[in-house]
Amino acid sequence: EPEVTQTPSHQVTQMGQEVILRCVPISNHLYFYWYRQILGQKVEFLVSFYNNEISEKSEIFDDQFSVERPDGSNFTLKIRSTKLEDSAMYFCASSEDYLGEQFFGPGTRLTVL
Amino acid sequence: GDSVTQMEGPVTLSEEAFLTINCTYTATGYPSLFWYVQYPGEGLQLLLKATKADDKGSNKGFEATYRKETTSFHLEKGSVQVSDSAVYFCALSDPEDDKIIFGKGTRLHILP
Repeated sequence: EPEVTQTPSHQVTQMGQEVILRCVPISNHLYFYWYRQILGQKVEFLVSFYNNEISEKSEIFDDQFSVERPDGSNFTLKIRSTKLEDSAMYFCASSEDYLGEQFFGPGTRLTVL
Repeated sequence: GDSVTQMEGPVTLSEEAFLTINCTYTATGYPSLFWYVQYPGEGLQLLLKATKADDKGSNKGFEATYRKETTSFHLEKGSVQVSDSAVYFCALSDPEDDKIIFGKGTRLHILP
């Protein structure tokens, strides 16, 4: 059964460093998403992406964040200069249709020291 | 804005016990409601959903009914199994918007 994959499963970085979180969505899906969950908090929407453009972004998704689909398979989230408060579990999701079921990856746990 | 509140965990039950995980929501429109489950080491999986009032979503023995009058979508299962141990997330989405709004999640631990 096709699934969304994410790498790495756990990333540790120093404050101020750049990180890139990688996702491989399901191959025929067209809509892509990033969510995050700070420990003990709610899962929060970050950004949606379609047709090589951001469709919607939340207040959390400031200038430090960017997303890219560099090739036909990967979907990445870049944090330019990490802060302690960026420590969270980051989930990637994809769907075939707008408003269709979103399929989630297992998440990348980001720890910023 | 729209939000979801679900009961705090962890919830620990014995096998074959009855399960209820409470969920209430706040929404300006008429949202679709979901329960997602996350098994250890895996991604969030859609467990069930309901898109209008009085709809009952069901899957794998779990059920939840969309109650507009009480703005609730409580998850129930009549007889839980050890394999149901996971984190359960209540969620909603506006029918005109594809972003999902989640609750904090409830960790369920079933003892054999």
